[in-house]
Amino acid sequence: DQQVKQNSPSLSVQEGRISILNCDYTNSMFDYFLWYKKYPAEGPTFLISISSIKDKNEDGRFTVFLNKSAKHLSLHIVPSQPGDSAVYFCAASGGSNYKLTFGKGTLLTVNP
Amino acid sequence: DAGITQSPRHKVTETGTPVTLRCHQTENHRYMYWYRQDPGHGLRLIHYSYGVKDTDKGEVSDGYSVSRSKTEDFLLTLESATSSQTSVYFCAISESGTFEAFFGQGTRLTVV
Repeated sequence: DQQVKQNSPSLSVQEGRISILNCDYTNSMFDYFLWYKKYPAEGPTFLISISSIKDKNEDGRFTVFLNKSAKHLSLHIVPSQPGDSAVYFCAASGGSNYKLTFGKGTLLTVNP
Repeated sequence: DAGITQSPRHKVTETGTPVTLRCHQTENHRYMYWYRQDPGHGLRLIHYSYGVKDTDKGEVSDGYSVSRSKTEDFLLTLESATSSQTSVYFCAISESGTFEAFFGQGTRLTVV
C-alpha cells in the first residue's frame, strides 16, 4: 500500500522553462512534506519542505505547493537548469516518530 | 555536509552469508535510519533508531536486524543474505525536532 505516490516516472523540460513535479499522498496523518534530489551514485539531498499549516514555501528557484484537501503537493522549479537533472523524491512524515515515507521518484531531465 | 560515513561502499557477498553494514555519524543526531533503494520502489525504510539501544522496524524489515550501542554508530545486519537483498543501502540521520534527514553516500550490496 503506497502512501506517497509519484505517478510520473520521468519528466523532460527545456532549459529556462518551468519544471513541475507532482506528488500525492493517502495518509491523513502526514503533516510535513519534503522534496529530495538525488544524483547518480550519491545519497539524496534535502531540497525544500513544507508544513501542513502552510500552502506554499519558496526557496530561490524552488517552490513547493501543498493542497491538503486534495492530498497533493507539487514542486516548481523556475527557471530549470541542466544541473537540475536528477531524480526527485517526495517524502512525508506524520506525528512525532520522525519517519519519512518516500515516493518512487521522478527523473527530471533538463535539456540545454 | 552532514558527517555521515557508510562502510563499506561496495560489497559482493554470497547467498547465505551474514553481512554487516556500518553507518557512522559525527553530528550527534538522535535519529538514524537505514533505507534501501531499488528500481521501481524508491526509498524504503528498513529500520530506524531514536536513541542508543532504541530501534524500531520500518516497512521492509524482514531479514534485517540493527544495533545501536552508541550514538554515532548504527549497524545493519543481514543475517543470511539473499539475492533479493541486492540493493543500494542508504543511512540517514536527523536531529530531534526536525524532519529533514541527511543521507550518506550509500552502500551498493550485491548478493550472488
